[in-house]
Amino acid sequence: DIQLTQSPSFLSASVGDRVTITCRASHDISNFLAWYQQKPGKAPKLLIYSASTLQSGVPSTFSGSGSGTEFTLTITSLQPEDFATFYCQQLDSYPYTFGQGTKLEIK
Amino acid sequence: EVQLVQSAAEMKQPGESLKISCKASGYTFASHWIGWVRQMPGKGLEWMGVIFPRDSDTRYGPSFQGQVTMSVDTSVNTAYLQWVRLEASDTAMYFCARQMGDYFDFWGQGTLVTVSS
Repeated sequence: DIQLTQSPSFLSASVGDRVTITCRASHDISNFLAWYQQKPGKAPKLLIYSASTLQSGVPSTFSGSGSGTEFTLTITSLQPEDFATFYCQQLDSYPYTFGQGTKLEIK
Repeated sequence: EVQLVQSAAEMKQPGESLKISCKASGYTFASHWIGWVRQMPGKGLEWMGVIFPRDSDTRYGPSFQGQVTMSVDTSVNTAYLQWVRLEASDTAMYFCARQMGDYFDFWGQGTLVTVSS
């Protein structure tokens, strides 16, 4: 199975900050990586797919990059509604594993 | 508008059986894989597996193979997740989601399953 390791697991930041979350894959997954945002009690929401394609309706303050084994999710100018938990997921091969999550909290 | 609407929360005792549902609308149900994701209390997302409604082809995650059964009824555009004998460790929120190529774009609201004596 392909393991995904996110870092950091917890992140404290302020409104207006720029933050970056990293997702590392145990094997080459090309660009078959998606990023999701989840708020408490809610379903995950797709942000980015194919490593760098912004899902329709998602603010352009979110961006993704990377290929192979290392990927990043960047949020520029954090807004109050951005604070949540973020997950990466690989869809290169079964099982389609998730990273362990990164909880972004308000400083 | 694409929607996935899941069945209501369930409270069951250990050893009981359960089948939860995910009703799709707004797209051609048979043409897209449907996935199931588990989230145990306070924990992260776990991919359980996917099913292709047109032919019921299924792929299970190793931790879930033999523990649950995914199925579909294309006549009512609904996917199901079933347990024969629940355990306390099955207590979790379960989400269904539509797979669109290399991502899951629409998600159900989740079904909370609580297993307790």
